[in-house]
Amino acid sequence: KAGVTQTPRYLIKTRGQQVTLSCSPISGHRSVSWYQQTPGQGLQFLFEYFSETQRNKGNFPGRFSGRQFSNSRSEMNVSTLELGDSALYLCASSFEGYGELFFGEGSRLTVL
Amino acid sequence: KNEVEQSPQNLTAQEGEFITINCSYSVGISALHWLQQHPGGGIVSLFMLSSGKKKHGRLIATINIQEKHSSLHITASHPRDSAVYICAVTNFGNEKLTFGTGTRLTIIP
Repeated sequence: KAGVTQTPRYLIKTRGQQVTLSCSPISGHRSVSWYQQTPGQGLQFLFEYFSETQRNKGNFPGRFSGRQFSNSRSEMNVSTLELGDSALYLCASSFEGYGELFFGEGSRLTVL
Repeated sequence: KNEVEQSPQNLTAQEGEFITINCSYSVGISALHWLQQHPGGGIVSLFMLSSGKKKHGRLIATINIQEKHSSLHITASHPRDSAVYICAVTNFGNEKLTFGTGTRLTIIP
């Protein structure tokens, strides 16, 4: 059974640009959640999608958005990038959203 | 005060020692997760608990709902156990995940 796949693994952007990250969950999982990890703030919850609907949202500005497709794959987008957006972005999938989480390897974003 | 507090922040031990990492939380929860993160970033879910105790190999996790406290124990520790261990809680009602700051464990051969 394939694990959670995140692409791209590494990317470098400049301030003001936007970025789109992709997450393919484990087959059969309908929930995808996204997290930001920085040295200063640690791991923080961004949002969670279940069956194409955003079910929960963390305390991040509107520049951070996401969506989920009918095949449960999810994307997150960050617009107007700031230096502080440099982080490891992790996604996790679960069957129903309230069970065990399976994490991807993450996408490491550097904003210059 | 953080909603999820872990202790210790750093722990260095000799191979074979019994390890305990603690997690205290201040909110109502529907579940508590123990996660392991190795250098490079990948996170593995070790346990999800809502009550009692769970065991997997050399790892044991316990939770006391009344005291809002959980512990992760590692028996017969090994250098490959060296990692950051993170406690996270699923908030009751909104089901958002809140993380502790992690415990960096180093096991010396």
